[in-house]
Amino acid sequence: RKEVEQDPGPFNVPEGATVAFNCTYSNSASQSFFWYRQDCRKEPKLLMSVYSSGNEDGRFTAQLNRASQYISLLIRDSKLSDSATYLCVVDGGNTPLVFGKGTRLSVIA
Amino acid sequence: AAGVIQSPRHLIKEKRETATLKCYPIPRHDTVYWYQQGPGQDPQFLISFYEKMQSDKGSIPDRFSAQQFSDYHSELNMSSLELGDSALYFCASSHGSGNTIYFGEGSWLTVV
Repeated sequence: RKEVEQDPGPFNVPEGATVAFNCTYSNSASQSFFWYRQDCRKEPKLLMSVYSSGNEDGRFTAQLNRASQYISLLIRDSKLSDSATYLCVVDGGNTPLVFGKGTRLSVIA
Repeated sequence: AAGVIQSPRHLIKEKRETATLKCYPIPRHDTVYWYQQGPGQDPQFLISFYEKMQSDKGSIPDRFSAQQFSDYHSELNMSSLELGDSALYFCASSHGSGNTIYFGEGSWLTVV
């Protein structure tokens, strides 16, 4: 079983829609959780860290459920510019970050 | 703000040749990571360094080696290149481990 699992999508949504991505991780020792965004042929860029209490940054909300080893990302009022691949990233306990395969989002006009 | 700098950005090599990629981390970052991302794949961790010492090793082939120098820059050396080594190689840096890592723009390696 892969350490970090995501639904690969693609998610095709109209502008203005709300879309949610889920991610599960297998290492119960993980302490740090992130969502990265990656555009085609570009480097991953940090979108937001994920905290136990949940956190919000504008239209983006991230939540962590340690008991279920589950992370989510909610995007409200989707924009065309949100089209990208969203990578769920988890630290491996004592090892560097582990990436999920990513979820592809296409926002359609 | 200064970001992670990688060079060269693009590289074309023939099979069995050698390639070297360089990475300059964000100033004051002490940890460097190398990732390989094949077409349509997620980034795969290769190797990392903390304070010039190897801190962790992932799926790095024996044909590859890397080191971190006294100025904290890092080099990834790849020998006996194979077609399957064609990928985007990212370097990333952080201050300590377990903290947010920031990626360079990547080096495209094409092996022909």
